[in-house]
Amino acid sequence: GQNIDQPTEMTATEGAIVQINCTYQTSGFNGLFWYQQHAGEAPTFLSYNVLDGLEEKGRFSSFLSRSKGYSYLLLKELQMKDSASYLCAGDDRGSTLGRLYFGRGTQLTVWP
Amino acid sequence: ETGVTQSPTHLIKTRGQQVTLRCSSQSGHNTVSWYQQALGQGPQFIFQYYREEENGRGNFPPRFSGLQFPNYSSELNVNALELDDSALYLCASSLVEEDEQFFGPGTRLTVL
Repeated sequence: GQNIDQPTEMTATEGAIVQINCTYQTSGFNGLFWYQQHAGEAPTFLSYNVLDGLEEKGRFSSFLSRSKGYSYLLLKELQMKDSASYLCAGDDRGSTLGRLYFGRGTQLTVWP
Repeated sequence: ETGVTQSPTHLIKTRGQQVTLRCSSQSGHNTVSWYQQALGQGPQFIFQYYREEENGRGNFPPRFSGLQFPNYSSELNVNALELDDSALYLCASSLVEEDEQFFGPGTRLTVL
């Protein structure tokens, strides 16, 4: 089966660093996505990890360990606009090409 | 700017009615997926269309149906609406050989 777990809520202050963790159990797993979603808006793509290790993209980095079924999203130099829900999603390319299994999302609130 | 558009933006229906939601894929994308996102939850996969045929389905009853047209636009139809169908409905387009999916802004459906 497919199961994606992530914390429901996190808070941090401007300028700080925050790490959002995600654990997963998926069959036919291909890779792991992170999306950002502001309230009432569509999810926007942040990162996609297929290989183990850390991928850095500006203030955002994403890490994957396939053997541990674990990923995290690291946000540095937090800004108020980073307040949003962060969605972890596993990519099943088994039975359905590109089907995404999403976690519930982690609501991040950045305080001044 | 993802290029994926959805209509309408908001919709209010009553129980038992039928609804059609529309999605226009990003130019050149041949695959469209539909997701249901209840308040406070992550998106849940409804189904995917590729080359005008259903290419996988999530755990949704048959009263959820869809179409994909030759220009790759798509419709989601829901019959016999129930209160629990109230949600944000997202479509995402992609190329079958690519991993990233681009989400539209969504249609907020409220069933009274």
